[in-house]
Amino acid sequence: DSGVTQTPKHLITATGQRVTLRCSPRSGDLSVYWYQQSLDQGLQFLIQYYNGEERAKGNILERFSAQQFPDLHSELNLSSLELGDSALYFCASSVLGEEDQPQHFGDGTRLSIL
Amino acid sequence: AQKITQTQPGMFVQEKEAVTLDCTYDTSDPSYGLFWYKQPSSGEMIFLIYQGSYDQQNATEGRYSLNFQKARKSANLVISASQLGDSAMYFCAMREGRFKGGSEKLVFGKGTKLTVNP
Repeated sequence: DSGVTQTPKHLITATGQRVTLRCSPRSGDLSVYWYQQSLDQGLQFLIQYYNGEERAKGNILERFSAQQFPDLHSELNLSSLELGDSALYFCASSVLGEEDQPQHFGDGTRLSIL
Repeated sequence: AQKITQTQPGMFVQEKEAVTLDCTYDTSDPSYGLFWYKQPSSGEMIFLIYQGSYDQQNATEGRYSLNFQKARKSANLVISASQLGDSAMYFCAMREGRFKGGSEKLVFGKGTKLTVNP
């Protein structure tokens, strides 16, 4: 158990819809990352938050947005969904400090667009 | 250009034998970190081992060790005494620019599927 909790585990929806994926980081971790894993693109970084502030953006579509709340949980919002958005979405968390620390991943949310 | 290259789409090993999974990386940053993750068929990503660019010794974690050759820019994962439960996808990842105040994002390779045969 990584200590990172993602809900829901599975999500099935239709094109054009909007969904929200939720992530609770490990206790004490201030940094949250979102990654997308798809067959054609592999594992790609989407966005990072640190203590409530956006720290870095990767290959995140404009239809996607995220935020980190004061209690440090994070949500990834995906709107106007397309078939190509079907993927496994991971949240990871880490401690930022002097020592390089690994990112610990949640079990992922598998999103299927019909 | 690919930052992380894993040239072995699939590898097979007999139970109890050792196996090496290859990873080469590309960076001009003197400070970087290299990570290996395991993804079983159930889908979760499990952190295995870490090597920092300034580390003098190769990292080891139980049956996992990292053969770090900085000049060759390679960070191969060695699994000793393979077990059936080691069958999974293995991903090599790199984090750059740690001291530049930038993102700590990971860049992943495409992975190697390891199958351990009884």
